[in-house]
Amino acid sequence: AQKITQTQPGMFVQEKEAVTLDCTYDTSDQSYGLFWYKQPSSGEMIFLIYQGSYDEQNATEGRYSLNFQKARKSANLVISASQLGDSAMYFCAMIVQGAQKLVFGQGTRLTINP
Amino acid sequence: GAGVSQSPRYKVAKRGQDVALRCDPISGHVSLFWYQQALGQGPEFLTYFQNEAQLDKSGLPSDRFFAERPEGSVSTLKIQRTQQEDSAVYLCASSLDRVGWNTEAFFGQGTRLTVV
Repeated sequence: AQKITQTQPGMFVQEKEAVTLDCTYDTSDQSYGLFWYKQPSSGEMIFLIYQGSYDEQNATEGRYSLNFQKARKSANLVISASQLGDSAMYFCAMIVQGAQKLVFGQGTRLTINP
Repeated sequence: GAGVSQSPRYKVAKRGQDVALRCDPISGHVSLFWYQQALGQGPEFLTYFQNEAQLDKSGLPSDRFFAERPEGSVSTLKIQRTQQEDSAVYLCASSLDRVGWNTEAFFGQGTRLTVV
């Protein structure tokens, strides 16, 4: 079975600072994908970034980057130059080859202070 | 529409009542998913459709939960004889093809179900 662990229930960061949201995962599969989603108060899950288990380089999408450390089974999200609009819940999720279900962590509530 | 649309956005049901939640996926998306998100938790998988075929319903918590996608487009999640523990946000997602390997799922805003 797959499991995602997000150990930070809440984080508070000053605007314009960088922030790292932690995610560790557990799976015995060799082929898997890792996602980060943002969930603002409106409720919808917004896709941010994806990392495949065989990707050799860390994924980047604008201000978002994924610090993928396969041996440690961690996939931390780094947001550079945080903005007030980044305040939201952030979820790490995993999918394994052959399955079509995303397994989500408990989430981290990020608050950006002006 | 441009995104995944769910209706109603909010639903209050009396315990024992049947409810039906609707999902309009992005046009042309083959895959459709339902997730249940309890308050303060991450979403949990309920079921998956590829076109009209329900390929995985392993996450449905009981036989009171039923989902269908008869024409491979709109989907309905039905909950019979609702219980208080069914109170949650029900999220629908769709993807162009199979999720993973740089194909993401697009989520709707969810239906918040409150059973009283």
